[in-house]
Amino acid sequence: DVKVTQSSRYLVKRTGEKVFLECVQDMDHENMFWYRQDPGLGLRLIYFSYDVKMKEKGDIPEGYSVSREKKERFSLILESASTNQTSMYLCASSLDPSSYNEQFFGPGTRLTVL
Amino acid sequence: AQSVTQLGSHVSVSEGALVLLRCNYSSSVPPYLFWYVQYPNQGLQLLLKYTSAATLVKGINGFEAEFKKSETSFHLTKPSAHMSDAAEYFCAVSDTGANSKLTFGKGITLSVRP
Repeated sequence: DVKVTQSSRYLVKRTGEKVFLECVQDMDHENMFWYRQDPGLGLRLIYFSYDVKMKEKGDIPEGYSVSREKKERFSLILESASTNQTSMYLCASSLDPSSYNEQFFGPGTRLTVL
Repeated sequence: AQSVTQLGSHVSVSEGALVLLRCNYSSSVPPYLFWYVQYPNQGLQLLLKYTSAATLVKGINGFEAEFKKSETSFHLTKPSAHMSDAAEYFCAVSDTGANSKLTFGKGITLSVRP
């Protein structure tokens, strides 16, 4: 089974702190994604990556950056956390082109910014 | 651009009753379609997917969905609800090209009454 792990389930940070959210997948997937999930808004794509050292902006990239130095690891960075970044963050991976773009999700990190 | 509409935010059914969760999509080309389920404090898990083979797709836990091109719909059904079905359900669409992103609906919460 594909396993996607995220470094923390719950995280509390203060406004202005630099925050790192780590995601690791163990099935050699090329593609990795970061979403945030908010009540009533569903999942919104922040950034994605189709290859090592490659990144593309999603729908809501402002205030975030990403890093993918190794194929299995995709990090989301909040350079200066703000209270409006309090949310559930979900990482996903997929294997193209044979997988019909099916994405496999990690358990999520619930981030609170005080 | 693709989009997904899930009308309403909450559905409540009695245990043993039919479950019907609606999903309509817009896409310029025949898409791939997905239903994911999210249990409390967990990531998303794939229920089923449509990949242009059979229009009636069977998934896990007794769920199924039917792709209707003329109605641009992919509604999720289960003949008899169980208490364990209480969760949030997301419909998602992707075009069929490689490295395509998923576009998610806003999600719908299913409650099951004893």
